[in-house]
Amino acid sequence: AQSVTQPDIHITVSEGASLELRCNYSYGATPYLFWYVQSPGQGLQLLLKYFSGDTLVQGIKGFEAEFKRSQSSFNLRKPSVHWSDAAEYFCAVVEGQAGTALIFGKGTTLSVSS
Amino acid sequence: GAVVSQHPSWVICKSGTSVKIECRSLDFQATTMFWYRQFPKQSLMLMATSNEGSKATYEQGVEKDKFLINHASLTLSTLTVTSAHPEDSSFYICSALGQGQHEQYFGPGTRLTVT
Repeated sequence: AQSVTQPDIHITVSEGASLELRCNYSYGATPYLFWYVQSPGQGLQLLLKYFSGDTLVQGIKGFEAEFKRSQSSFNLRKPSVHWSDAAEYFCAVVEGQAGTALIFGKGTTLSVSS
Repeated sequence: GAVVSQHPSWVICKSGTSVKIECRSLDFQATTMFWYRQFPKQSLMLMATSNEGSKATYEQGVEKDKFLINHASLTLSTLTVTSAHPEDSSFYICSALGQGQHEQYFGPGTRLTVT
């Protein structure tokens, strides 16, 4: 079965420091990849997505992610974290044809220390 | 971007009653809608996939007689939790997908508390 792995359950980063959240997927072909952020009690907000083309994608709020086919990874990065970035981050994959559901990773909780 | 709404945003109901949650795509036609459930501090779990005009496809372990899904139009899907029990308390999120698209648009979620 297809799966998405976010190895880090909880990460704490100092404000102003860089951030990398890891995401690995298992799927034979190139999947459609997404990163979402969720604040407590809120819905999901799309940070960025990768469908094809340039493997380094830019998103909102200064986030970027790089698709590495050889490593089956789609890690999320931000050069300088702000306290407002504290939230839950989910990596998700759509496999195959259009109309299929997202497969979510278990999420990574980001805490930002001052 | 495309907008998906959910109503209500939160609801409290008594055990044994039924609750209906609406999911609407406001500015596009959603041929497919998905219903997810999220327990506290956990990820989203797909409950069912509904295509307009067809019966919903439920994930393994999801009781179709308890979680009734209707997708009667290209802009509206409803989830009815029948005979709700406290263990049904959760955050329910819908998403909508246009024809031939890969990006889903999420609603803001509905917090259900069953007392």
